Amino acid sequence: KQEVTQIPAALSVPEGENLVLNCSFTDSAIYNLQWFRQDPGKGLTSLLLIQSSQREQTSGRLNASLDKSSGRSTLYIAASQPGDSATYLCAVYTGTASKLTFGTGTRLQVTL
Amino acid sequence: GAVVSQHPSRVICKSGTSVKIECRSLDFQATTMFWYRQFPKKSLMLMATSNEGSKATYEQGVEKDKFLINHASLTLSTLTVTSAHPEDSSFYICSATPSGRKTGELFFGEGSRLTVL
Repeated sequence: KQEVTQIPAALSVPEGENLVLNCSFTDSAIYNLQWFRQDPGKGLTSLLLIQSSQREQTSGRLNASLDKSSGRSTLYIAASQPGDSATYLCAVYTGTASKLTFGTGTRLQVTL
Repeated sequence: GAVVSQHPSRVICKSGTSVKIECRSLDFQATTMFWYRQFPKKSLMLMATSNEGSKATYEQGVEKDKFLINHASLTLSTLTVTSAHPEDSSFYICSATPSGRKTGELFFGEGSRLTVL
């Protein structure tokens, strides 16, 4: 059974700092990995999708890496802004089970 | 593109009543949609996979008769919480994958907050 863990559970940083969120998964036989953002009481916004054959994906100030063999992914946020405050979720898609398994989430607060 | 809409966004009902939540793909067709449940400060748990024109596939531990899922068209799936009780109060989110997109790339609705009194 796939299990996805995110560390830290919560993080508070001052504006302008670069930061790294971590995601680990137990079954490396994944099809892809996605990072999402969730604002309080809202749905999910897809940030980045990394296929299993890829090492990283970039979008603006965001960079996600994937090390499938070790079961790890990181989300790097450069020059953080208060608007980045949200919960960040990683999720892995396991092709054999055809389902997306979500991590526990990291609650990020960027302060002025 | 790839917009998923849920309705209602919030619903409050009395214990014992049934509540229907709609999930629509606005600009694409979706053979498969997924329903998730999220408890406060917790991650999303897959409840069931909704298949257009056939029965939904439920995850272990999810009561089929409590959570009725109907996927009547390629753009609409509904989740009905029957005889709702306070423990059914939760945030329900649906998602869908547009045909032709990379497998596993899901787009999510805004969620529906159910409160059962």
